[in-house]
Amino acid sequence: NAGVTQTPKFQVLKTGQSMTLQCAQDMNHNSMYWYRQDPGMGLRLIYYSASEGTTDKGEVPNGYNVSRLNKREFSLRLESAAPSQTSVYFCASRGGQGYTGELFFGEGSRLTVL
Amino acid sequence: AQRVTQPEKLLSVFKGAPVELKCNYSYSGSPELFWYVQYSRQRLQLLLRHISRESIKGFTADLNKGETSFHLKKPFAQEEDSAMYYCALLGALGGQFYFGTGTSLTVIP
Repeated sequence: NAGVTQTPKFQVLKTGQSMTLQCAQDMNHNSMYWYRQDPGMGLRLIYYSASEGTTDKGEVPNGYNVSRLNKREFSLRLESAAPSQTSVYFCASRGGQGYTGELFFGEGSRLTVL
Repeated sequence: AQRVTQPEKLLSVFKGAPVELKCNYSYSGSPELFWYVQYSRQRLQLLLRHISRESIKGFTADLNKGETSFHLKKPFAQEEDSAMYYCALLGALGGQFYFGTGTSLTVIP
């Protein structure tokens, strides 16, 4: 059981380039999330998908787009990368209803925008 | 608005000393609160949740609705407790998980 898998683990971009972070979970979870982690800022929610076919903005959605491709996969796209998007990105999934479902995290993707 | 506040970015204690990591929240309703931990070079993982009222690795956390707090405590810190700790709140819409800014705990041998 792989859990939550993110690719790539590391990426360097130039300002203005685009890229997609991929996330897949094999736990049959309904909800999936994208966070960014920055020093002193903690984890901030970018987008989430409560169920297949739905996506919603989190705290810091500007500059990002997401796609819930199917129940397993939830991708995060940077259309025109900016240095402010240099961060570590975490994908997470959650299966339970209400408060019973804990978040399971991927290993993170470290993105540097030059 | 739902917010989670962890006032201490860094916390150092000696091995064997008690440790308390503070978490305060603001929420209109009945909150669901969690503590997550991130050890060096590992992914974030759930440490405990308030509804379980359990003790994991010697840690406990009690929800105090009057003080809107969910502090994490351990009576005797161990070196292996050194990690980043995040307090988290499950949002009213049932989907959004909000995290605090985290507290980096260092246990000094």
